[in-house]
Amino acid sequence: AQTVTQSQPEMSVQEAETVTLSCTYDTSESDYYLFWYKQPPSRQMILVIRQEAYKQQNATENRFSVNFQKAAKSFSLKISDSQLGDAAMYFCAFTGNQFYFGTGTSLTVIP
Amino acid sequence: EADIYQTPRYLVIGTGKKITLECSQTMGHDKMYWYQQDPGMELHLIHYSYGVNSTEKGDLSSESTVSRIRTEHFPLTLESARPSHTSQYLCASSVAVWNEQFFGPGTRLTVL
Repeated sequence: AQTVTQSQPEMSVQEAETVTLSCTYDTSESDYYLFWYKQPPSRQMILVIRQEAYKQQNATENRFSVNFQKAAKSFSLKISDSQLGDAAMYFCAFTGNQFYFGTGTSLTVIP
Repeated sequence: EADIYQTPRYLVIGTGKKITLECSQTMGHDKMYWYQQDPGMELHLIHYSYGVNSTEKGDLSSESTVSRIRTEHFPLTLESARPSHTSQYLCASSVAVWNEQFFGPGTRLTVL
């Protein structure tokens, strides 16, 4: 069975600091994609970052970067220089032959 | 922002009413999905479609039904709404199963 696990239901970070959100997954497939989505309160779910499993280089999008450890099946999201607008639910997602979402991590940014 | 739309955004109705939640996308995506999400909670896939005239039930059992007569349109219908149907319903679409999904703004349904 393919699963996605986010072990941190809630996280908090001081404004301007760095925070890392954890995600692990389980699959027997060798080719797949991983995503982090952001869902601000009462707002639309948007894609933050995407990683192809065949790429060894970690994806980066401005202040957002991932630490992709394929052997460990780990896909963490690092947010640098956290801003108030980063406060949201963050969902890790995995896709092989189907799309799977984790249970989400609620991030609070403290001014 | 992605070109995927949901109407209505908010709906409050009484028990027993029939409702249809609309979802449409202008990106030409073959794959479309409906998720149910309680506030601040995980997403549950309730229906998906891989193309016109193709619909499947998702992981979470739902009393709702869907149809896919046109590529761009994927409405969800509840024949008789109940308070247990109170939730947020998110529609999404993608080019392929392994590609990113684009989400609509959601419909927040309250059944009294």
